[in-house]
Amino acid sequence: DSGVTQTPKHLITATGQRVTLRCSPRSGDLSVYWYQQSLDQGLQFLIQYYNGEERAKGNILERFSAQQFPDLHSELNLSSLELGDSALYFCASSVEGRRGPGELFFGEGSRLTVL
Amino acid sequence: QKEVEQDPGPLSVPEGAIVSLNCTYSNSAFQYFMWYRQYSRKGPELLMYTYSSGNKEDGRFTAQVDKSSKYISLFIRDSQPSDSATYLCAMSSLSNDYKLSFGAGTTVTVRA
Repeated sequence: DSGVTQTPKHLITATGQRVTLRCSPRSGDLSVYWYQQSLDQGLQFLIQYYNGEERAKGNILERFSAQQFPDLHSELNLSSLELGDSALYFCASSVEGRRGPGELFFGEGSRLTVL
Repeated sequence: QKEVEQDPGPLSVPEGAIVSLNCTYSNSAFQYFMWYRQYSRKGPELLMYTYSSGNKEDGRFTAQVDKSSKYISLFIRDSQPSDSATYLCAMSSLSNDYKLSFGAGTTVTVRA
């Protein structure tokens, strides 16, 4: 168990809908990352938050948005869903504050199916 | 062309064999190199971490980085059925060290 909790584990919805994925990082971790894993693209970095502030952005679509709350949990909002958004969405957290990358601790993912 | 290339396999080996995995990359700014292991229906977990060029050994696992060739490898000695998983290489740069670029992952099956 990595200590990172993601809900829901599975989600089935229709095109055009909006969903929210939730992530609780490990206790004490200030950084939260969102990754998308699909069969054809592999693991793609979406966005990183550090202590409530957006720190880095990857290839995140404009239809997607995220935020990190004061209690450090994070939500990834996906709107106007398309079939191609079907994927596994992972949240990860890490300890920062020293030179070099820390270990990313991944949750078990939220599997989104868009029909 | 993808920033990180990794042969997706699948790779099937008998128990006790040496598993050899590799990735190539195009971004010369990458300085941190990692291998993550992902079991079915689980999130990736960090297996090995190397900074810049060189070798690193941890038990049955050896990671190698050749920055001149932009090539990294992972070797698993005396492979066990419990090593059956997808192995993903990942890398990042000094300026953006927490933004990882992942390979597609290689699925490995170790047959008992």
